[in-house]
Amino acid sequence: GDSVTQMEGPVTLSEEACLTINCTYTATGYPSLFWYVQYPGEGLQLLLKATKADDKGSNKGFEATYRKETTSFHLEKGSVQVSDSAVYFCALNPSGNTGKLIFGQGTTLQVKP
Amino acid sequence: GAVVSQHPSRVICKSGTSVKIECRSLDFQATTMFWYRQFPKKSLMLMATSNEGSKATYEQGVEKDKFLINHASLTLSTLTVTSAHPEDSSFYICSARGAADQPQHFGDGTRLSIL
Repeated sequence: GDSVTQMEGPVTLSEEACLTINCTYTATGYPSLFWYVQYPGEGLQLLLKATKADDKGSNKGFEATYRKETTSFHLEKGSVQVSDSAVYFCALNPSGNTGKLIFGQGTTLQVKP
Repeated sequence: GAVVSQHPSRVICKSGTSVKIECRSLDFQATTMFWYRQFPKKSLMLMATSNEGSKATYEQGVEKDKFLINHASLTLSTLTVTSAHPEDSSFYICSARGAADQPQHFGDGTRLSIL
């Protein structure tokens, strides 16, 4: 079945460092891909999305490109801040727009001053 | 922006009791609501999808008689864990969306602990 695999965490970085969180997926057809963020004590929030191959989602300095050839959707940011500390979830919505989301296991990011 | 309220945020109960969790969309009509379960250091696992006014669709391996879902209005869905046991202890999260092309908005989750 469809699945999402994220890199293991926690990821610990110093402020202004570059961030990459790897995400790969297995799915039939053409799923939509998402990154969600969960700040401490809060619910999940949509960070960015891409609905077709080669689309680039971006928000708050974060970017991810839908790569069908490598079935990947890696999250990147050029310069992280302490306020970016959170848990990041990669997810896919299978083809057919059923609305259901399949999540990766989440990656905790800790940014130190 | 759209807000989904989930209540209670934390509940501790004795084994054998039933627990009800509410999920409300505060400023939009939620045609569809989703219920997820999250184990420690694991991903969110979709339990069921509910559309207003119809029976919920459960994912494979989820006991529908154990996890009762009601979506009686466009702003409220409830998940009832019946005769809860310690293995039901988990973090339960709901989400809601309006039209099919709209994103899901998540509640803050409910930490359920069964003693």
